[in-house]
Amino acid sequence: QVTLKESGPGMLQPSKTLSLTCSFSGFSLSTSGMVVSWIRQPSGKSLEWLAAIDWDGDKYYNPSLKSRLTVSKDTSNTQVFLKITSVDIADTATYYCARTLDMGITPNAYWGQGTLVTVSS
Amino acid sequence: DVVLTQTPVSLSVTLGDQASISCRSSQSLEYSDGYTYLEWYLQKPGQSPQLLIYEVSNRFSGVPDRFIGSGSGTDFTLKISRVEPEDLGVYYCFQATHDPPTFGSGTKLEIK
Repeated sequence: QVTLKESGPGMLQPSKTLSLTCSFSGFSLSTSGMVVSWIRQPSGKSLEWLAAIDWDGDKYYNPSLKSRLTVSKDTSNTQVFLKITSVDIADTATYYCARTLDMGITPNAYWGQGTLVTVSS
Repeated sequence: DVVLTQTPVSLSVTLGDQASISCRSSQSLEYSDGYTYLEWYLQKPGQSPQLLIYEVSNRFSGVPDRFIGSGSGTDFTLKISRVEPEDLGVYYCFQATHDPPTFGSGTKLEIK
């Protein structure tokens, strides 16, 4: 059974760096074809694809945010991380991690429950 | 970025009736490999999005055959036949053909 769970700070101040963790089970990110993505959703709004990392360590970023994003994975291939630098109020959102079905960065078949991040002074 | 325009913004459907949602793209979603990376997700109230349809018309495992995706190029449709109470929520289309992947603005399905 594939499960994913996001964790984060809950709240942080503007200009800080946001660090998020996606912990998962039921698969290994070292398996060929596996990809984990990050997607966020401001309250009451649509979704925004942010970044992805695949089994081979290749990384994919949304160009509009690329300069602020860093996606990585741990050596045990059971966690994926996302860092967003210089956050501001517009980064307030629920952040989801998701695993794709098989090969490629899409479709996102398995989702975590999301973690709410509030940027506020 | 590719803009996905969903219509209607909301719709109210009687149980057992059909619902239809349109997703129009600002660019063709057919990729050079011949595939069209257009997906549909449902976000039920208080839940994470869940995958319904991928590559225009392929139902994800466990998705009832009441959900039918169709379309090509720039015009896509999700039809839900015989709407049931558990179908309420916000439906999003999503494209991964062009970088960056983008979501539509959503269509809220309510039950009359």
